[in-house]
Amino acid sequence: DVKVTQSSRYLVKRTGEKVFLECVQDMDHENMFWYRQDPGLGLRLIYFSYDVKMKEKGDIPEGYSVSREKKERFSLILESASTNQTSMYLCASSLGQAFNEKLFFGSGTQLSVL
Amino acid sequence: AQSVTQLGSHVSVSEGALVLLRCNYSSSVPPYLFWYVQYPNQGLQLLLKYTSAATLVKGINGFEAEFKKSETSFHLTKPSAHMSDAAEYFCAVSESSTLGRLYFGRGTQLTVWP
Repeated sequence: DVKVTQSSRYLVKRTGEKVFLECVQDMDHENMFWYRQDPGLGLRLIYFSYDVKMKEKGDIPEGYSVSREKKERFSLILESASTNQTSMYLCASSLGQAFNEKLFFGSGTQLSVL
Repeated sequence: AQSVTQLGSHVSVSEGALVLLRCNYSSSVPPYLFWYVQYPNQGLQLLLKYTSAATLVKGINGFEAEFKKSETSFHLTKPSAHMSDAAEYFCAVSESSTLGRLYFGRGTQLTVWP
């Protein structure tokens, strides 16, 4: 079965810190995504990537950047964490660029910025 | 542009009762529609998807959804709720023009009473 692993389940950081959230998938998927989940707002797409070294902005990219140096790993970077970035972060992957593909999700990282 | 509206952020039913979770979409082209479920402290997993093969789609755990183009709806149903169905449910849409990106609704929290 496909496994999407997020490095931390819970993370507590201070305002202004640089934060790295790591995501690894083990099924050679082309596409990887970072979503943010907030109560009452559902999932909002931050960034996604269709291939190594490629990245595309999602709906809420401000304050975030990403890195995809290897196919299996997709990192989300908060350059200078702020309290409004306290949230649940979900990583997902999918096989290719068909339009009806299933996303596989990690278990999420709950980030608290103090 | 595509969007998804889930009517009712919270739905409560008794065990054994019908489950009906509502989803309406907005899309300028034939959409691909999905329902995902999120159990507590887990990532999302696919429940079912519509990709134009059949308007009534059967998913896992006894759930099904019917695509109604005239109503732009894709409501999720289950004839008899079980305690284990308690979770958050997300409707999502994608189009060929968005190359696999999913747009999620805000979610519906389902509570099942004994």
